[in-house]
Amino acid sequence: DGGITQSPKYLFRKEGQNVTLSCEQNLNHDAMYWYRQDPGQGLRLIYYSQIVNDFQKGDIAEGYSVSREKKESFPLTVTSAQKNPTAFYLCASSYWPDPPNTGELFFGEGSRLTVL
Amino acid sequence: SQELEQSPQSLIVQEGKNLTINCTSSKTLYGLYWYKQKYGEGLIFLMMLQKGGEEKSHEKITAKLDEKKQQSSLHITASQPSHAGIYLCGARDSGYALNFGKGTSLLVTP
Repeated sequence: DGGITQSPKYLFRKEGQNVTLSCEQNLNHDAMYWYRQDPGQGLRLIYYSQIVNDFQKGDIAEGYSVSREKKESFPLTVTSAQKNPTAFYLCASSYWPDPPNTGELFFGEGSRLTVL
Repeated sequence: SQELEQSPQSLIVQEGKNLTINCTSSKTLYGLYWYKQKYGEGLIFLMMLQKGGEEKSHEKITAKLDEKKQQSSLHITASQPSHAGIYLCGARDSGYALNFGKGTSLLVTP
């Protein structure tokens, strides 16, 4: 079955450590996205990628890094520079929003990162 | 930049009652997406509206985009415990990513 797989689902790290969250999709989507979700804040865009080897910063990119070496994969690294990394992270992918595609995002199940 | 305001922030309804969630945009909407999220899980796509006055239904959930394309409503008829969760509206601004509202948390009581 096609879908988006995020791993790990839960992750605990000590302050000052970098962590990498995995996101893989087999939907043949061109675009991939990373969002962060905090209670009462909704979803905020961290990074997105429209094509392999290219990505753009979202609203809250500071302290995060990404790579897009393969169409299927878009890993997110939470660096030690991120001041408040404890959050729920959601990865998504989509086709271009060009007709007949409606461009909806398909989401993974999320990764919950807790920094101790 | 585009802002999406959802109301109410949270809602508690008795099973069987109807309810409405609103999403208002600071700019004209060229595509409005509704999602549902169960607590601690990913978002599930419900439906997308594009044209002014457009209305779509899926099971007991109906969404409508107003003629001016700046407001959308999501209506649930005869709510059930399975409808509980967070409902989010999303829309594209100038790029390919979706901006989202802060969500409406729905609890359905027996």
